[in-house]
Amino acid sequence: GAVVSQHPSWVICKSGTSVKIECRSLDFQATTMFWYRQFPKQSLMLMATSNEGSKATYEQGVEKDKFLINHASLTLSTLTVTSAHPEDSSFYICSAREVILGAYEQYFGPGTRLTVT
Amino acid sequence: EDQVTQSPEALRLQEGESSSLNCSYTVSGLRGLFWYRQDPGKGPEFLFTLYSAGEEKEKERLKATLTKKESFLHITAPKPEDSATYLCAATFIEGYSTLTFGKGTMLLVSP
Repeated sequence: GAVVSQHPSWVICKSGTSVKIECRSLDFQATTMFWYRQFPKQSLMLMATSNEGSKATYEQGVEKDKFLINHASLTLSTLTVTSAHPEDSSFYICSAREVILGAYEQYFGPGTRLTVT
Repeated sequence: EDQVTQSPEALRLQEGESSSLNCSYTVSGLRGLFWYRQDPGKGPEFLFTLYSAGEEKEKERLKATLTKKESFLHITAPKPEDSATYLCAATFIEGYSTLTFGKGTMLLVSP
């Protein structure tokens, strides 16, 4: 199956600093990528949808200015958590959609554990 | 009301004891039904996508089926390494771009 990578796999940062997370589709081109957040023992919560070359669409309640998303190419999307605070600590997972003959599959990265101290 | 509901929330099986996980959806206009496996601290691993009622897909000990109202993930003769949380997600014709997830079924298979 298709592979999606994320980097870094974990990061610790101080409150007030910014952190960038990269998401790459390794063996397919993804016109659409997604960013999710997951709290312990809960399901995935969609934060935003990004399409290559255009602005991301954010879900209700997600701050655009805090979570900056850039989908600069068909294989790379980045999430920047700006001015991070302890409440931003979470597990962030990206996902990429592969379209095959009109049907699509959606693959997830391994996740990034962010801890803000 | 949740659009995608999974049951049971948790399931404990003995090794070799076959069972099924359920995923029901309440919204009409299903576009696709997805099953994923998630291990602790990792991203979801893609298992299957089903698009139409009557469709079935298999992979090793897992078999996914789809009806007009629900999907089942059948686990045949499970092994301890099948222990994980199984997530069901759906896309609908309205808002088709995004996956709507159920809350998952936590499966524990004891040796």
